[in-house]
Amino acid sequence: GAVVSQHPSRVICKSGTSVKIECRSLDFQATTMFWYRQFPKQSLMLMATSNEGSKATYEQGVEKDKFLINHASLTLSTLTVTSAHPEDSSFYICSATGDRVNSPLHFGNGTRLTVT
Amino acid sequence: AQKITQTQPGMFVQEKEAVTLDCTYDTSDQSYGLFWYKQPSSGEMIFLIYQGSYDEQNATEGRYSLNFQKARKSANLVISASQLGDSAMYFCAMREWGLSGGYNKLIFGAGTRLAVHP
Repeated sequence: GAVVSQHPSRVICKSGTSVKIECRSLDFQATTMFWYRQFPKQSLMLMATSNEGSKATYEQGVEKDKFLINHASLTLSTLTVTSAHPEDSSFYICSATGDRVNSPLHFGNGTRLTVT
Repeated sequence: AQKITQTQPGMFVQEKEAVTLDCTYDTSDQSYGLFWYKQPSSGEMIFLIYQGSYDEQNATEGRYSLNFQKARKSANLVISASQLGDSAMYFCAMREWGLSGGYNKLIFGAGTRLAVHP
C-alpha cells in the first residue's frame, strides 16, 4: 500500500537551533499534507494544511514564522521548527492525501522532537 | 465548539467480546468523510475504517464496523471479537470539504483508550 516516509523519527536539538522534518509520499501524489502535533496522552492537534505549490494554511494559534511549512512538490513537504525552545518538544506527525474528500490518508510514523 | 467528540476517555472490554467506541461530529457541510484510526504506544497511526457522508451502507472492515447515524451525527466504531492486540488509543476524525472546496481539514477527536483484558 501507499507509504509516507517521515524523517527523522527522533531528534534532539539545543535551544535556539532549527530542526527540519521531512514527509515524503513514496508511491502517490500528495496534493495535500496535514501537519499535526501531539502531546503525551492527548489527541493530534492540526497545525497546518499544505497544498502543493501554495502557502500553507495555519490553524489559529500556530505561529507561521516559527513552524515553517514548505510543500514544493507532490511528494515532499517539510516542517521546520525555527529557534526551538523546550516547549516545542513534542511528537510531530504528517499525513498525506489526494484532493478528494474520500482520498485515503496516509500517515508518517512521526518525529519525536526533544529540545534541551 | 468541538467538531469531533469522543466522550469515553477510557474503555475496557473482555477478550472476545464486542465493544463500541462513541463518536459524534458537528458539521454543516453535506460532503464529509469520517475516519477511525488506532494508535498503539509506538505512535503510528493505523487506518481502520472510512465512512463517506453519502454512503448509505455502514462501512465494515473485517472486525471493524462503523455505526453511521447521519441524522444524529454519530459514527460509532464497533470492534467485534476483541483481541489483546486491540489495546490502544482510538481516534475518530472528520475531513470536511467546503461548499466551494475552499477548505480542507482533517480533525481528530480527543480519543478513547481501549484496554482489552484476558
